[in-house]
Amino acid sequence: DAGVIQSPRHEVTEMGQEVTLRCKPISGHNSLFWYRQTMMRGLELLIYFNNNVPIDDSGMPEDRFSAKMPNASFSTLKIQPSEPRDSAVYFCASSRTGMTKNIQYFGAGTRLSVL
Amino acid sequence: RKEVEQDPGPFNVPEGATVAFNCTYSNSASQSFFWYRQDCRKEPKLLMSVYSSGNEDGRFTAQLNRASQYISLLIRDSKLSDSATYLCASGEAGTALIFGKGTTLSVSS
Repeated sequence: DAGVIQSPRHEVTEMGQEVTLRCKPISGHNSLFWYRQTMMRGLELLIYFNNNVPIDDSGMPEDRFSAKMPNASFSTLKIQPSEPRDSAVYFCASSRTGMTKNIQYFGAGTRLSVL
Repeated sequence: RKEVEQDPGPFNVPEGATVAFNCTYSNSASQSFFWYRQDCRKEPKLLMSVYSSGNEDGRFTAQLNRASQYISLLIRDSKLSDSATYLCASGEAGTALIFGKGTTLSVSS
């Protein structure tokens, strides 16, 4: 079975540019999560969706970050304009919420470098 | 603020050693608990769920102490391949998991 698929795997961009990260969750999963991981702050939840609806976006750093989930099989995380401090690994994860154990499965991540 | 705290380590142990990690969580409403393993430059992968009664999977044993709000992971007979970062996570039913920053384990020959 295909796992969570993220693209691109690596992104190098210049400060001020728009960056779009993409995620395809596991088929049948109804919750999707975006995380950011850095050495200093660890794995931070940015936003999550249940049934395509954003539930908690309190982790989104600021208005430069936005996320969408237009359908059950696709989500985007956009940073506009990007800044060097946005450099991190961004993970997408999905789960089948509604069950007692909300095990999350992670994609391989997008390694973002903003110069 | 809901937090999960772990000792970052690193824990440096020889092959065959037994090593234990602890993790504390602040949200008393948490109902789901997990240990994830993350290899260098890879994504976190589920190692095991943690149940109130404790659970064992081969050389790995996980336990939950609700009264003290901590979970533990015991690794027996450590292998070189166990070298990784171990993340604990907790969450309420139907919500996102909160992850600790991870504990780094290095097993040497």
